[in-house]
Amino acid sequence: QVQLEQSGTEVKRPGASVRVSCKASGYTFTDYYLHWVRQAPGQGLEWLGRIRPDTGDTRYAREFQGRVTMTRDTSITTAYMELSSLRSDDTAMYYCARHQVPIGLPFDYWGQGTLVSVSS
Amino acid sequence: DIVMTQSPDSLTVSLGERATINCKSSQNVLYKSNNRYYVAWYQQKPGQPPKLLIYLASTRESGVSDRFSGSGSGTDFTLTISGLQAEDVAVYYCHQYYTTPHTFGQGTKVEIK
Repeated sequence: QVQLEQSGTEVKRPGASVRVSCKASGYTFTDYYLHWVRQAPGQGLEWLGRIRPDTGDTRYAREFQGRVTMTRDTSITTAYMELSSLRSDDTAMYYCARHQVPIGLPFDYWGQGTLVSVSS
Repeated sequence: DIVMTQSPDSLTVSLGERATINCKSSQNVLYKSNNRYYVAWYQQKPGQPPKLLIYLASTRESGVSDRFSGSGSGTDFTLTISGLQAEDVAVYYCHQYYTTPHTFGQGTKVEIK
């Protein structure tokens, strides 16, 4: 069965960086783009960017350009999202989700979420 | 960026009644090569990731109850829940995936009257 398994809760100080992983299983890793979406407490969904696992091509939301880096390791079917220069307003649940572009099927599977808490 | 504006922000509906949520895109989200609108709808319950209900504006995801339906054209889209059940209490989001950056509506909270 399809699974996106994310790494655990992170507690960081302002100014630090965090790397969240998303381990994919149950499907061909390179057939689906992987996106990252976050949700601050009590707030809506915010798209951070996506990576194309077959080529490594990335697209980032403008407001995160320069602070976010998305990578992947195809040998272990895992995608990573690193966010630097953390601020308190980066405190949120971070999700990965897959997207099958050719057939227009968006986020049909999501990771369970990784809570990132930024506090001094 | 394409702005997705949902209405209303919250909705209270009696059990068994219909709930209608609207979403307006600020720009075209029609992919001309297949004549499909790249709009999706998600349901999110507390403590859970969002769940895909509808994609390509009107295609129901596998396993989703047929009480959920999507419609729309141009820049106006609708999610309809027919015969609201207690388990439908959640926040619902629209999503455009026509272009990056992907964007979401602000969410509509559905409650039981």
